[in-house]
Amino acid sequence: GQNIDQPTEMTATEGAIVQINCTYQTSGFNGLFWYQQHAGEAPTFLSYNVLDGLEEKGRFSSFLSRSKGYSYLLLKELQMKDSASYLCAVVDSNYQLIWGAGTKLIIKP
Amino acid sequence: IAGITQAPTSQILAAGRRMTLRCTQDMRHNAMYWYRQDLGLGLRLIHYSNTAGTTGKGEVPDGYSVSRANTDDFPLTLASAVPSQTSVYFCASSAATSGTDTQYFGPGTRLTVL
Repeated sequence: GQNIDQPTEMTATEGAIVQINCTYQTSGFNGLFWYQQHAGEAPTFLSYNVLDGLEEKGRFSSFLSRSKGYSYLLLKELQMKDSASYLCAVVDSNYQLIWGAGTKLIIKP
Repeated sequence: IAGITQAPTSQILAAGRRMTLRCTQDMRHNAMYWYRQDLGLGLRLIHYSNTAGTTGKGEVPDGYSVSRANTDDFPLTLASAVPSQTSVYFCASSAATSGTDTQYFGPGTRLTVL
C-alpha cells in the first residue's frame, strides 16, 4: 500500500527553527509537495521537490532524499503566524497525489 | 481575481437528503478536484476532472457524483446523504493535469449530516 508518515503535532518557540519530517512509501515517485493549512482555511502551496537536495525560499526550505523516501520542511525565525498544519503530498507513478495526514505546528511565545 | 469559490460555506443536512456543493474557478484551469478532509486523515480524493466533459473516480467516490459541463464549474452531488459524509469538502484546480502541477484550493464547505 501507499503510505505517508508525518508527526501529528509539534511545538516550537517563536524565533526558533523547526524541522517537520515526512517519510513515504509509494508506488513510484514523481515529486513531493508541501502545503500550509491554517485552521479553518484552505491548504496553500509552499514547495515542490522532484530532485534530491535542499530548496530555499525565504524562511522556508524543503529537502528531499529520494533514495531514503524522506523529505523535511525547515522553518526558520518562527513567527506566531506560522502556527498551522503542514501537509506533505507525494505524486505517485500514476501521477496521483497521495496526502499525508498533516503535522500541526504550535508556536509558543 | 477570486480564484476558486465554493458554496455553501457550511450546511447541516438531514440524512437521506440530496445536496449539491458548488465550485467555480476563474483561472481557466483544465483540472479540477474534490477532496474530503477528516480529522486525523489526509485529504482524500473523491472525484476529479482533467478537462470539461470528462470526470474520473478518486479514492473515495461512493455516494458522490460530479459533472463538468464547462471549464469553470465542478459541482459535487450527494444523492442521499449519510452521517459518514460529515466532513469538510475542498474543491481544487490546477492548470495542468499531470499531477505535478500546483493545486489551488477553495475555502471549503463544512457539511454535517444528521
